[in-house]
Amino acid sequence: GAVVSQHPSWVICKSGTSVKIECRSLDFQATTMFWYRQFPKQSLMLMATSNEGSKATYEQGVEKDKFLINHASLTLSTLTVTSAHPEDSSFYICSAPLWVDEQFFGPGTRLTVL
Amino acid sequence: AQKITQTQPGMFVQEKEAVTLDCTYDTSDPSYGLFWYKQPSSGEMIFLIYQGSYDQQNATEGRYSLNFQKARKSANLVISASQLGDSAMYFCAMRGPVGVSQGGSEKLVFGKGTKLTVNP
Repeated sequence: GAVVSQHPSWVICKSGTSVKIECRSLDFQATTMFWYRQFPKQSLMLMATSNEGSKATYEQGVEKDKFLINHASLTLSTLTVTSAHPEDSSFYICSAPLWVDEQFFGPGTRLTVL
Repeated sequence: AQKITQTQPGMFVQEKEAVTLDCTYDTSDPSYGLFWYKQPSSGEMIFLIYQGSYDQQNATEGRYSLNFQKARKSANLVISASQLGDSAMYFCAMRGPVGVSQGGSEKLVFGKGTKLTVNP
């Protein structure tokens, strides 16, 4: 299947700092990518839809000023967690649809905010 | 609004036996897609199988099959000949109708998941 990469795979940062997470589609172009957050022992919750060439669409309750999304190219979307706090510690995972019946996920980024 | 329900928090199965993981869904859209993903402890989401709402036959992929009962709005995953490596979380997810602008149709709504444990 198609490959989606994420970087970094894990990151530890101090409270108040910003962290950028990259999501790349390695062998296909993605005009749309999705960012999910997963807390321990819970399901994936969609945070936002990243759209190449236009603003991201955020789900209800997600602070757009805190979680900045930039779809820089047809193969790259970035999620920046600004002024991170311990409650932002979570597993962040991106996905990119290839066809209507195929959606591929990155390996995820584990964020720990101290 | 779309909703996915997985009522089994945990399931146990003996190695080499078959197991069914339940998934029911709710949507008012006539066009939708259903996915099953496996998430091992490493966290990666591994695509298993897909069923479109207009597909006439149940989807199959190797040891995985999807028991699609449209009238009952259920899309149960059947794993045959379970292996120890099948132990993981399994998520059922739904995609919205094709053709909606800006990729909104492609976002997935997930169920809470079922933790499958395969015993030797």
